[in-house]
Amino acid sequence: QVEIIQSGAEVKKPGASVKVSCKASGFTFTAYYLHWVRQAPGGGLEWVGWINPHTGGSNYSQNFQGRLTMTRDTSITTAYLELNGLRSDDTAIYFCARDWNDGAFDVWGQGTMVSVSS
Amino acid sequence: QSALTQPASVSGSPGQSITISCTGTSSDIATSYYVSWYQQHPGKAPKLIIFDVTKRPSGVSTRFSGSKSGNTASLTISGLQAEDGADYYCSSSTSTNIPYVFGTGTRVTVL
Repeated sequence: QVEIIQSGAEVKKPGASVKVSCKASGFTFTAYYLHWVRQAPGGGLEWVGWINPHTGGSNYSQNFQGRLTMTRDTSITTAYLELNGLRSDDTAIYFCARDWNDGAFDVWGQGTMVSVSS
Repeated sequence: QSALTQPASVSGSPGQSITISCTGTSSDIATSYYVSWYQQHPGKAPKLIIFDVTKRPSGVSTRFSGSKSGNTASLTISGLQAEDGADYYCSSSTSTNIPYVFGTGTRVTVL
């Protein structure tokens, strides 16, 4: 079936980096953009960025000021989000979602909790 | 690009109808064909319930409907049921350097 499975929870110290994976299955990986959305504890949803798995092209929210890199490995239908220079306010659940139709995110991963604390 | 504005909470009794508003600007909702709504239960990933302002994905109840007027989009839930108690988020494409924006979220309570 169509699904997205993400990597497990991470605990990092301020200034460190984290890499979260997003494994897609049940659909053509290169046919849909993948977006990352994050949600701070008790907070709302925040759009992080997208990657085009076909070309590798990406677009990030400027709120991350160059700390963000999105990549993919088509051979294993997996996308990655890497965030550098972690701060305490990066603590959040990071979701990967399929863009089915111009911003309609119809398939979501289970989320990856990233905790940043000294 | 600021978050779209939603009421923090809306409540209703079973069987009633409720409407959640989502207010943006001329850079997003007012000029976007791509407004979506998501339902999120605690501890779960969001679920798409409305896309392209008014369309429902296959399998989503017809009790959910979307509309837009000017810079405000709305989600109406008719025949409110206990399982509709959840958080709801709108989203829109934008013409700014941040291509998508979410709303602040609305908690729906079924009394």
